[in-house]
Amino acid sequence: ELKVEQNPLFLSMQEGKNYTIYCNYSTTSDRLYWYRQDPGKSLESLFVLLSNGAVKQEGRLMASLDTKARLSTLHITAAVHDLSATYFCAVGNFGNEKLTFGTGTRLTIIP
Amino acid sequence: SAVISQKPSRDICQRGTSLTIQCQVDSQVTMMFWYRQQPGQSLTLIATANQGSEATYESGFVIDKFPISRPNLTFSTLTVSNMSPEDSSIYLCSVEGDINYEQYFGPGTRLTVT
Repeated sequence: ELKVEQNPLFLSMQEGKNYTIYCNYSTTSDRLYWYRQDPGKSLESLFVLLSNGAVKQEGRLMASLDTKARLSTLHITAAVHDLSATYFCAVGNFGNEKLTFGTGTRLTIIP
Repeated sequence: SAVISQKPSRDICQRGTSLTIQCQVDSQVTMMFWYRQQPGQSLTLIATANQGSEATYESGFVIDKFPISRPNLTFSTLTVSNMSPEDSSIYLCSVEGDINYEQYFGPGTRLTVT
């Protein structure tokens, strides 16, 4: 059974600092997704990572994938308050579109 | 990208009743997914809905409790039957778009059972 774990579960950080959220998964998978969820809202797609060594960046967020280690990271650079949200990673496989979600990381950026 | 709408956006229901949630997509898709997000929790897949066949349910979810219809390639419904307070959750439908394996989520239906 595929398990997806994130850490930390909660993260409180100051504006301007850097930090990394980790996503580990238990079995070989082809696709890794990162989503953002604001309170009371649906999921916003951030990144889709499809191959070993894939790296994608958007603004202050950068995601990477190491399929051999079954690990993805979401790195936050010089955090700003607007990045406060819950971040989920999710794992899927080609030919089977369903996703298994991680536990989520609730990120709070403190001014 | 796919644009997904859900109805209702929220509802408060009495214990023992049923609620049907609708999901409409602006393009034809092969598979639609229904997820549940319990308060403060992550998302759990309830079932996969293919047009023209029975939905495939994940472990812990059964058709009698969560019947699903998929009458065409742009629409699906999920019914939450014989509700109890434990069914209070956000229910989201999802589809995969045609570009880069993106998966899109509807706005969700926030259900409260009293």
